[in-house]
Amino acid sequence: QKEVEQDPGPLSVPEGAIVSLNCTYSNSAFQYFMWYRQYSRKGPELLMYTYSSGNKEDGRFTAQVDKSSKYISLFIRDSQPSDSATYLCAMSDGTSYDKVIFGPGTSLSVIP
Amino acid sequence: EAGVAQSPRYKIIEKRQSVAFWCNPISGHATLYWYQQILGQGPKLLIQFQNNGVVDDSQLPKDRFSAERLKGVDSTLKIQPAKLEDSAVYLCASTWEGGTEAFFGQGTRLTVV
Repeated sequence: QKEVEQDPGPLSVPEGAIVSLNCTYSNSAFQYFMWYRQYSRKGPELLMYTYSSGNKEDGRFTAQVDKSSKYISLFIRDSQPSDSATYLCAMSDGTSYDKVIFGPGTSLSVIP
Repeated sequence: EAGVAQSPRYKIIEKRQSVAFWCNPISGHATLYWYQQILGQGPKLLIQFQNNGVVDDSQLPKDRFSAERLKGVDSTLKIQPAKLEDSAVYLCASTWEGGTEAFFGQGTRLTVV
């Protein structure tokens, strides 16, 4: 079993739709959870960052963490064509010299 | 604030040749990472530096890959000799000491033919 799994898509939705992106993981030591957005031919950029379980909202984006199920989600409301990108979940156990483990990414297209 | 700078942006080489990539992290960031991202996959950590010391290089193919971070600032990643399967984007990222939010450069896209 891979440490972090993510449906690769591609996912195609109409503009204005609510998008749900998900990841599952196997390492119960993970405590820090991140979502990165990666546009074509660009490096990943941090979108959301959460610690432990719960929800975090930032504008149209909501990150949700369920540590009991080892499952994290990113919701995008009122999706826009500019949201078209690959979304990578990433997580870390938060030790002093930690490393971030990335999922394979989900490719999202928002159609005008 | 300037971001993570990487060069070159693109490189095409023949197999068995050597290649080097350069990274300048965000000023003040003690931790520097090199990732390999193969098309359709998430980034995979190759090596992590804390200042000029190596913290984790467990996934670095040491028979052909090497990296250094002299003076704890800039870093170079070298591949010698390159193989076809090394074709990927090589991403450099940095963060402050103890941080877990990595800031990425635009990457170097390597094609080995």
